[in-house]
Amino acid sequence: KAGVTQTPRYLIKTRGQQVTLSCSPISGHRSVSWYQQTPGQGLQFLFEYFSETQRNKGNFPGRFSGRQFSNSRSEMNVSTLELGDSALYLCASRDYNNEQFFGPGTRLTVL
Amino acid sequence: GQQLNQSPQSMFIQEGEDVSMNCTSSSIFNTWLWYKQDPGEGPVLLIALYKAGELTSNGRLTAQFGITRKDSFLNISASIPSDVGIYFCAGQSSTSGTYKYIFGTGTRLKVLA
Repeated sequence: KAGVTQTPRYLIKTRGQQVTLSCSPISGHRSVSWYQQTPGQGLQFLFEYFSETQRNKGNFPGRFSGRQFSNSRSEMNVSTLELGDSALYLCASRDYNNEQFFGPGTRLTVL
Repeated sequence: GQQLNQSPQSMFIQEGEDVSMNCTSSSIFNTWLWYKQDPGEGPVLLIALYKAGELTSNGRLTAQFGITRKDSFLNISASIPSDVGIYFCAGQSSTSGTYKYIFGTGTRLKVLA
């Protein structure tokens, strides 16, 4: 079974721009979660989608949004980028045992 | 953001030594997960624990779900150079069908050959 895939792996943007990241979960997994990882704050939960519905949301501003498609693929969007948004963005899919499996991440650098 | 207390923060050990790290929380969790992350990569799931007192092994790794459901530890026996990386614990809880994962602050492991 293929693992969680994320595209792109690396991204460089400038302040004020917007960005869309993509995640394909493990086949059969319907839950997709997004996390932001920074050296200072560690792994912070952004949101979770299950069957195209946002089930849970972390404490991030409204600039961070997401969606999930009928094939369980998910996208995350960040609008009006700020320098502090530079981070590794990780996507994870969850199986019926509640084990989360992570993708390789997208490294976003905001200049 | 919320993080679990994980210790030690970092450790340098000699190859062949055993390693122990733990995670504590003020909250009760239903599941404990342990991950390893290499630089520039996503965390890889090592062990999952589902009930209080459970002791589970995966090769040289052994982890336990604390009796109080508020803590967990991970042991690595006979460490080798490829054990280098950052180890994270994660506690999972659920409320009304909503699942929440809180991650530890990480333990950075360096193995000296």
